[in-house]
Amino acid sequence: EVQLVESGGGLVQPGGSLRLSCAASGFTFSSYWMSWVRQAPGKGLEWVANIKQDGSEKYYVDSVKGRFTISRDNAKNSLYLQMNSLRAEDTAVYYCAILTGYPGYMDVWGKGTTVTVSS
Amino acid sequence: SYVLTQPPSVSVAPGKTARITCGGNNIGSKSVHWYQQKPGQAPVLVIYYDSDRPSGIPERFSGSNSGNTATLTISRVEAGDEADYYCQVWDSSSDLYVVFGGGTKLTVL
Repeated sequence: EVQLVESGGGLVQPGGSLRLSCAASGFTFSSYWMSWVRQAPGKGLEWVANIKQDGSEKYYVDSVKGRFTISRDNAKNSLYLQMNSLRAEDTAVYYCAILTGYPGYMDVWGKGTTVTVSS
Repeated sequence: SYVLTQPPSVSVAPGKTARITCGGNNIGSKSVHWYQQKPGQAPVLVIYYDSDRPSGIPERFSGSNSGNTATLTISRVEAGDEADYYCQVWDSSSDLYVVFGGGTKLTVL
């Protein structure tokens, strides 16, 4: 069974840092682009970042450029999102997702991990 | 940047047909993907590449895309279809970016 499990969310003060992880199983992780998507409370979906199979290409939404870094460890079947200089507006549920095709669609999503930025 | 416009809400009686639109400039030239999200759950892909259905998605779900509007159609609507629906495309104006519509809340009356 294809599965994505996010972890690492929590409460952090403005200006702080957090590292999210996404553990993948049930598929050949190294063969797929991966994405992070977030959803602020009561709001819609917002794409955050994409990373290529070998990590050589990374793309970010403008609002997180220079603050967030997407990475992966194919040996550990894991995806990461390092979030620095966090702001209140980064408060959201963060989902990891498998990108099928590039450009393509997100056909498997994790259940998400919640990040709250507040003093 | 590319903007996708969805109606905030659509209401439909059980057994009827619901149509959820996704507007964008010449969206017919892009591939559109649709996601269903029920409260407290992660999104689920229901339509990809305009009109293809993933395995496990009922045939009642269909999609079309032409001109400036893409449409998700749900036939014979059931109570369990009540959810938020999001359209998604790629914006290639600079790098390749993922763009989501604002979402449509489908209410089954």
